[in-house]
Amino acid sequence: SQTIHQWPATLVQPVGSPLSLECTVEGTSNPNLYWYRQAAGRGLQLLFYSVGIGQISSEVPQNLSASRPQDRQFILSSKKLLLSDSGFYLCAWRKGVAGGRETQYFGPGTRLLVL
Amino acid sequence: RKEVEQDPGPFNVPEGATVAFNCTYSNSASQSFFWYRQDCRKEPKLLMSVYSSGNEDGRFTAQLNRASQYISLLIRDSKLSDSATYLCVVSPLSGNTPLVFGKGTRLSVIA
Repeated sequence: SQTIHQWPATLVQPVGSPLSLECTVEGTSNPNLYWYRQAAGRGLQLLFYSVGIGQISSEVPQNLSASRPQDRQFILSSKKLLLSDSGFYLCAWRKGVAGGRETQYFGPGTRLLVL
Repeated sequence: RKEVEQDPGPFNVPEGATVAFNCTYSNSASQSFFWYRQDCRKEPKLLMSVYSSGNEDGRFTAQLNRASQYISLLIRDSKLSDSATYLCVVSPLSGNTPLVFGKGTRLSVIA
């Protein structure tokens, strides 16, 4: 069966510090991978998605970046965090097949507080 | 027009009540439809897929109206454990195009 891991679960970082969040998927190959952010009481905001190694699509220009160094690894980074980067960061995976009928699965998320 | 629109709620209902959520989508070429459930401070999880003929899973019934670009979720005999945010999700034709999530409808079931 497939599983998706994210760490850390919670993170408190000072403004201006760097960030690296990691997501890994097990039990599947060549998944589509996604990073979302959810501010408190708000909806999901798609940040980045990837359909293959080294392929990154950015949905929202900001001070975050993403990388996919391996097939089942997706990393979200920032060189300098802003207060507005606080939120619940969710990684997700989905099979990339024609028709779009595949379910998407989310990791447990990382709660980031920037002070 | 937003791609996926939902009434944000909150819907406050007593235990045992029937509650219905509605969702509209703008892309007529959308291929697949889902309802996800998100508990407070947790990740969203699939509740059920929505099929063209409508489908039922226990107390939950999902309906799709392609002509009106409208999806619904009906919860019968509400339980306290049904309290959550319900997200309407639409999939474009291509499997590589990201799913489009509504902002969710919050449900509180009260004893």
